Amino acid sequence: GAVVSQHPSWVICKSGTSVKIECRSLDFQATTMFWYRQFPKQSLMLMATSNEGSKATYEQGVEKDKFLINHASLTLSTLTVTSAHPEDSSFYICSGLSLAGGFYNEQFFGPGTRLTVL
Amino acid sequence: KQEVTQIPAALSVPEGENLVLNCSFTDSAIYNLQWFRQDPGKGLTSLLLIQSSQREQTSGRLNASLDKSSGRSTLYIAASQPGDSATYLCAVSQGGSEKLVFGKGMKLTVNP
Repeated sequence: GAVVSQHPSWVICKSGTSVKIECRSLDFQATTMFWYRQFPKQSLMLMATSNEGSKATYEQGVEKDKFLINHASLTLSTLTVTSAHPEDSSFYICSGLSLAGGFYNEQFFGPGTRLTVL
Repeated sequence: KQEVTQIPAALSVPEGENLVLNCSFTDSAIYNLQWFRQDPGKGLTSLLLIQSSQREQTSGRLNASLDKSSGRSTLYIAASQPGDSATYLCAVSQGGSEKLVFGKGMKLTVNP
């Protein structure tokens, strides 16, 4: 299958600081990437849909000014958590949508980033 | 609004058993359905994807079936092994959208 990487895999920061998480599709082009968050023992909740070269589409209840998404190329999307607070502590997972070959319309997920805000 | 349900939330079995994991969804107008595996603290590994026009997909000891009209999918695991222990998630995408709606998952423990 196609490979998606995330960096960093974990991060600890102080309250009020901003944290950037990178999501890269390593062996395919992803015109669309998705950002999810997952709280302990909960399922994944979609935060936003990121399309290359355009503004992200946020799900209801997700603050776009707090979670800044940039999708500058076909292989890279970034999520910046601005002015992070302890309640933002969570597991953030991205996925890339492959529309090519045998993986048509299949999402491939990154390994996730564990964010802890002190 | 699409809702995906996985019951039970957890299952513990002895090694060697054949298992059936269930997934149901409320809106049958799906584009595809995916089964994922998630190990603790890790991301998702795609196991099987079934397009809405398909009835089943197989990969090794895994077989997933889809009955779109009744809003159900099952993941069959043959001859379970301790290494199969993980949380299994079911997700569907709606026609016209690539967004995935996830179930809450089922935590499987296979005891040696």
